[in-house]
Amino acid sequence: AQSVTQLDSHVSVSEGTPVLLRCNYSSSYSPSLFWYVQHPNKGLQLLLKYTSAATLVKGINGFEAEFKKSETSFHLTKPSAHMSDAAEYFCVVIEYNFNKFYFGSGTKLNVKP
Amino acid sequence: SQTIHQWPATLVQPVGSPLSLECTVEGTSNPNLYWYRQAAGRGLQLLFYSVGIGQISSEVPQNLSASRPQDRQFILSSKKLLLSDSGFYLCAWSVPQGSSYEQYFGPGTRLTVT
Repeated sequence: AQSVTQLDSHVSVSEGTPVLLRCNYSSSYSPSLFWYVQHPNKGLQLLLKYTSAATLVKGINGFEAEFKKSETSFHLTKPSAHMSDAAEYFCVVIEYNFNKFYFGSGTKLNVKP
Repeated sequence: SQTIHQWPATLVQPVGSPLSLECTVEGTSNPNLYWYRQAAGRGLQLLFYSVGIGQISSEVPQNLSASRPQDRQFILSSKKLLLSDSGFYLCAWSVPQGSSYEQYFGPGTRLTVT
């Protein structure tokens, strides 16, 4: 069975400092993994995806994530936080028959000036 | 390009009243369609998904139902709303082609049951 655990419900960083949002997954098959961002009262926007190609995945807005099979992790990082990065972030794993997506509980990122 | 629409954007309904939320997708054929609910302070809960016209899978037993009368139309309904139905409802679509399995989300409907 597939599942996703986002290890931090809230993360607070200062503008210009690095961002690390942690995600661990459980999957019986080779997973496809995604990170989405949601700004208040908006739909979700795809940041990046891993689908068994390069393990270091680059996304939009300077975000990237590294797939580590040995650690069953897919952590999201950004070298320098911007105020506009303040939002909620969701890690997602897809079921092997590709019809169901399992969302983590979300991490709210706060960026301080 | 593909677009996804949801309406209404916001809705305030009394307990016991009916509900109909609509989602339509443009620019693609035979998409998988999904309804999610996001309650205050919670993550996303998958309610229904559909892989084709008339094919609905329910994830959570409740007083909600879904229908897919056309290829790119997905409707969420209820005959009698409960207070616990309040939340942010998101529709999404995906097309499994090659390695592109990501979901694309609509703008959402904010439902408040009073």
